[in-house]
Amino acid sequence: SYELTQPPSVSVSPGQTASISCSGDELGNKYAFWYQQKPGQSPVLVIYQDTKRPSGISERFSGSNSGNTATLTISGTQPMDEADYYCQAWENSVVFGGGTKLTVL
Amino acid sequence: QAQLQESGPGLVKPSETLSLTCIVSGYSISSDYYWGWIRQPPGKGLEWVGGSGSAYYNPSLKSRVTISVDTSKNQFSLKLRSVTATDTAVYYCARGHPYSGSYYYFDQWGQGALISVSS
Repeated sequence: SYELTQPPSVSVSPGQTASISCSGDELGNKYAFWYQQKPGQSPVLVIYQDTKRPSGISERFSGSNSGNTATLTISGTQPMDEADYYCQAWENSVVFGGGTKLTVL
Repeated sequence: QAQLQESGPGLVKPSETLSLTCIVSGYSISSDYYWGWIRQPPGKGLEWVGGSGSAYYNPSLKSRVTISVDTSKNQFSLKLRSVTATDTAVYYCARGHPYSGSYYYFDQWGQGALISVSS
């Protein structure tokens, strides 16, 4: 079965740029999606179709996808960005990555 | 904007059937969207359960899952048979936004319902 691999945790200082990777076999040939989940809340879509931002999502969030890796980038990271982030793709079924806990400290 | 709300019992006994309903408001369930279920065991990551329309299901759960849509009530449902403790999770319903054929991503989520499997 298809797997998406994310680092369990990423730390970043306020105001710096955070990058969260998502790796999968030939992931660049598929679309990647990213969700943000804060404690006790439902996931929120932050990036769709590799690079697009839904309405209402900060311009600080951006995405890329090439080769075997998709990347979520958060520029000027703020304490409010501290959350779990999940990537998602399709390979005959929906596949989620294991999630990355972003800590802003 | 569509709003989704899960409804169901918080506790299910082992070997029984878990039944959940997602009530959709502010949007017609008959529109060109898919409707899906995702679950999250306590302290763990997201796991896709399945979706409507295209009949795509998580291969590991497919034999136990049925998802149906009731357009008259603007809601959709999940039935998961023969549950065990490993099915304990927060179950989210979500709207699937199609982007290529029957592939979709989740652009609206319910608040989630914690379902525990225990005798």
